[in-house]
Amino acid sequence: NAGVTQTPKFQVLKTGQSMTLQCAQDMNHEYMSWYRQDPGMGLRLIHYSVGAGITDQGEVPNGYNVSRSTTEDFPLRLLSAAPSQTSVYFCASSPSGTGRGGSYNEQFFGPGTRLTVL
Amino acid sequence: GNSVTQMEGPVTLSEEAFLTINCTYTATGYPSLFWYVQYPGEGLQLLLKATKADDKGSNKGFEATYRKETTSFHLEKGSVQVSDSAVYFCALRNPMNYGGSQGNLIFGKGTKLSVKP
Repeated sequence: NAGVTQTPKFQVLKTGQSMTLQCAQDMNHEYMSWYRQDPGMGLRLIHYSVGAGITDQGEVPNGYNVSRSTTEDFPLRLLSAAPSQTSVYFCASSPSGTGRGGSYNEQFFGPGTRLTVL
Repeated sequence: GNSVTQMEGPVTLSEEAFLTINCTYTATGYPSLFWYVQYPGEGLQLLLKATKADDKGSNKGFEATYRKETTSFHLEKGSVQVSDSAVYFCALRNPMNYGGSQGNLIFGKGTKLSVKP
């Protein structure tokens, strides 16, 4: 059971380049999400998905796209990288549950991708 | 919307000292509350959680109580160790029927703890 895996671990891009950050989980979790972590800002939600075929925006979605064609995978696409997107990116997953019960479940985090945009 | 505020660090303590990291929240509805810990170079892992008022979460000597009357979830440990050095995040999770941001985890900005031998 690998949990949540992310690739790559490190990436350097030039301004304007595009790339996809990969995230996969093997726990059959319905809920998956992407966060970015910046110094002094905590973690901020970029996009999330409550199940295959369903995605929605979080707090800071601009410049990022997601899709969820399978339960296991939730890739994050940077369309045209900018220096402001230099950050550490974390993917997380959890069971969804329903209603208030859905809030009980912890989210499991991947090891992160450190992205630098020059 | 819902939000979390936690004390800013960094916090530096000597080994065996008492630790408190304050966390307060603003929420409509009935979120669950979490403390996550991040060791250097790693992802976040759950430290403890509480899902309703007056619940106490505990793990590895750390404790926090969900106080609805003071909207707080302060983290405490009676005797810290060097191995507790990490960044600690307070977070709340919205219910799945919370319109517009169902199930979202909202974090405080984190508190860096350093424990000296």
